[in-house]
Amino acid sequence: GAGVSQSPRYKVAKRGQDVALRCDPISGHVSLFWYQQALGQGPEFLTYFQNEAQLDKSGLPSDRFFAERPEGSVSTLKIQRTQQEDSAVYLCASSLKGEPQHFGDGTRLSIL
Amino acid sequence: AQSVTQLGSHVSVSEGALVLLRCNYSSSVPPYLFWYVQYPNQGLQLLLKYTTGATLVKGINGFEAEFKKSETSFHLTKPSAHMSDAAEYFCAVGYFGNEKLTFGTGTRLTIIP
Repeated sequence: GAGVSQSPRYKVAKRGQDVALRCDPISGHVSLFWYQQALGQGPEFLTYFQNEAQLDKSGLPSDRFFAERPEGSVSTLKIQRTQQEDSAVYLCASSLKGEPQHFGDGTRLSIL
Repeated sequence: AQSVTQLGSHVSVSEGALVLLRCNYSSSVPPYLFWYVQYPNQGLQLLLKYTTGATLVKGINGFEAEFKKSETSFHLTKPSAHMSDAAEYFCAVGYFGNEKLTFGTGTRLTIIP
């Protein structure tokens, strides 16, 4: 079956622009996660949804980062007024509750 | 708080040789432990996991890992390396009731022909 789908795969933006990254989880997966992976590093947790409820947003680095999952399926990670340090790969993962996470291929964000 | 340390950011082994990738964790509660593999420009693929029960865990592609509580370790091994094993490997820790994972910084595995 279809895996976790992320779009776009690559995004280039100028500093100060807003960006929106999309994640389509595996159908039926109630848990959805966003991670940020800087070059040469492991993924770092950003936020977690169970259905439409955002249960943990402790990893969001600033109030410029915002995530939503309004209908408990597709999720969008939005970054406002982007800065160069936001350049990274943003990974989305989904899972059945209590089961291992399945990752998408990520969105590589480059801020010029 | 949880943390993961992966010793050796780069490991090279000859084709057919033993693969050993090291992972030590810190957790104040019984951990759930995972190994993921990442190929270039792709997401993470689960190799294996430990939650409870048997401490020797077998995963995909011939990999296995052993949970050693006394050593706070979860090292990944494979008896005989294959060229297709060249990738980045990440160890991660979580625990029951908290879904998020804490990852190590990764080990890049190179296979020498």
